[in-house]
Amino acid sequence: QVQLVQSGAEVTKPGASVKVSCKASGYTFTSFDINWVRQATGQGLDWMGWMNPKSGNTGFAQKFQGRVTMTSNTSISTAYMELSSLTSEDTAVYYCAVGRRAGWSSWWFDPWGQGTLVTVSS
Amino acid sequence: QSVLTQPPSVSGAPGQRVTISCTGSSSNIGAGYDVQWYQQLPGAAPKLLIYGNSNRPSGVPDRVSGSKSGTSASLAITGLQAEDEADYYCQSYDYSLNGQWVFGGGTKLTVL
Repeated sequence: QVQLVQSGAEVTKPGASVKVSCKASGYTFTSFDINWVRQATGQGLDWMGWMNPKSGNTGFAQKFQGRVTMTSNTSISTAYMELSSLTSEDTAVYYCAVGRRAGWSSWWFDPWGQGTLVTVSS
Repeated sequence: QSVLTQPPSVSGAPGQRVTISCTGSSSNIGAGYDVQWYQQLPGAAPKLLIYGNSNRPSGVPDRVSGSKSGTSASLAITGLQAEDEADYYCQSYDYSLNGQWVFGGGTKLTVL
């Protein structure tokens, strides 16, 4: 079955960067985009961006532009999300998810990784 | 605040029917983009419940349904069960701000 397994929890300091990995299995990794979504404690879901593993093309939400990098290593079916210039407001669970689509109007995320807690604290 | 608006909470007794609304605008749902729904159990990752406004992935029971009209969408759950207690999020695409995927703020469903 299609599965995404993410790297473990991270604790990092303000101003630093964090890199989260997302290993895919059960499908051809280059067939679908990987999206990243974050969720602060007790808050809702916040879409960060997408990456196409085949082309390397990316797209980001405006609020993360200039601060986020999304890459992949197709030889090991793994996607990466790196977020820089961290502040306490970046403390959240970060999820990767496979992006699916149907026609021009329908996009959804399925399945999701288990999530990676990133804590930013001095 | 979220681009898509959901009620913060809804509740219902076992066996009852509840609905959760998701209100957007002319740059997302009203522009023809489809709505998806996700269920998030406590401590777990979101799980796809409805895609393309009204389609259920395999494994999702038929007591769960979705609909869309104009700039809004709704999720309905009939025959409420204790296991339905969770957070529910709607999601669509918005062409403003250079285009991005957007979520509702989430609705906490409590089974009384």
